[in-house]
Amino acid sequence: DAKTTQPPSMDCAEGRAANLPCNHSTISGNEYVYWYRQIHSQGPQYIIHGLKNNETNEMASLIITEDRKSSTLILPHATLRDTAVYYCIVRAVMKTSYDKVIFGPGTSLSVIP
Amino acid sequence: DAGVIQSPRHEVTEMGQEVTLRCKPISGHNSLFWYRQTMMRGLELLIYFNNNVPIDDSGMPEDRFSAKMPNASFSTLKIQPSEPRDSAVYFCASSPLLNQPQHFGDGTRLSIL
Repeated sequence: DAKTTQPPSMDCAEGRAANLPCNHSTISGNEYVYWYRQIHSQGPQYIIHGLKNNETNEMASLIITEDRKSSTLILPHATLRDTAVYYCIVRAVMKTSYDKVIFGPGTSLSVIP
Repeated sequence: DAGVIQSPRHEVTEMGQEVTLRCKPISGHNSLFWYRQTMMRGLELLIYFNNNVPIDDSGMPEDRFSAKMPNASFSTLKIQPSEPRDSAVYFCASSPLLNQPQHFGDGTRLSIL
């Protein structure tokens, strides 16, 4: 079972920031927060991940609360091409074993012109 | 750069037939994953390989499913005999190392009549 909860759907106006929330209240100390997205008819695409510090890359920013029980993915200037299902995933990163990537239902983001 | 390449993109066949799905991972990636996506069950991990060796096949639904990775640049997922309930989109993903972010192909849409 997925260890995260996300709203099933959200709308965002084109050009505005899209803020996608994720709750992971049972997260463990060695578990990271990952975000993927899936555009219609394509495979999932990795966006960003973090442990406890905020992270930013060319695609998005990830804000993790201090208690690590929730996070927000921010797309700073949403475009129509950002319309997709966004998956928030919690998993451990260990040197000697593999923690499976478990996809929940995600949030369907619609960017509106 | 070439991403993960899957073939065929679409497959329609009658129940009872053998189906073979193919995947070419990104060059230099040591880990390969097979997923299945349906409306009812979402995205599920079927099996994964590390350095061409199957590590965990606990997600493979039945003995009718088998996967091989004869070399670092090729993997197959075979269903024999196929059934209508196997209809789904099958994704292949690869990553440089086991715990690094995964890169997905665009999937094979399989329809069993």
